[in-house]
Amino acid sequence: AQSVTQPDIHITVSEGASLELRCNYSYGATPYLFWYVQSPGQGLQLLLKYFSGDTLVQGIKGFEAEFKRSQSSFNLRKPSVHWSDAAEYFCAVGAYNTDKLIFGTGTRLQVFP
Amino acid sequence: ETGVTQSPTHLIKTRGQQVTLRCSSQSGHNTVSWYQQALGQGPQFIFQYYREEENGRGNFPPRFSGLQFPNYSSELNVNALELDDSALYLCASSGTAVTDTQYFGPGTRLTVL
Repeated sequence: AQSVTQPDIHITVSEGASLELRCNYSYGATPYLFWYVQSPGQGLQLLLKYFSGDTLVQGIKGFEAEFKRSQSSFNLRKPSVHWSDAAEYFCAVGAYNTDKLIFGTGTRLQVFP
Repeated sequence: ETGVTQSPTHLIKTRGQQVTLRCSSQSGHNTVSWYQQALGQGPQFIFQYYREEENGRGNFPPRFSGLQFPNYSSELNVNALELDDSALYLCASSGTAVTDTQYFGPGTRLTVL
């Protein structure tokens, strides 16, 4: 069965520090992978997505993610975090040909000045 | 600006009642998916509608039902509400291709007392 694991429930970083949010997936074929961000009381905004090709994907707001098939991972990174990045981050895998997204439980990012 | 709107923003119901939530898709999108996000969890796929027909369903009982209209707007109906139905309900619209991005609305917060 397809699943997504986000091992870190809560991460705290200082503004300006680098960030890496972990995501591991279980899927029988080449997955479609996504990172979404959710601010308090808001819906989900797509940061980036991977379908095929270059395994390093660039997204909005300075985020990037790297697909590593050997590790079944799709970690999200940002070189310098801003206070406005504080939010909940969700990794998701797309089930082929159904468009159904399977989400992880999320990682809450807190940014200290 | 995703263009996906949902109504109402908040709703309070009691056990056993019925509720209808509404979603207006982004212009040009013909696919709508509904997700339930319990507090502290990632969104869970409920079902998807494509051209007014159900096109995939998650692990939710039949008392969760939906409709999609010719203008591609959609409704989620939940009968015989239970306390565990309290959650944020998100709708997402997308185009036809499985690689099309799902754009999420801000959600409807349902509280069941």
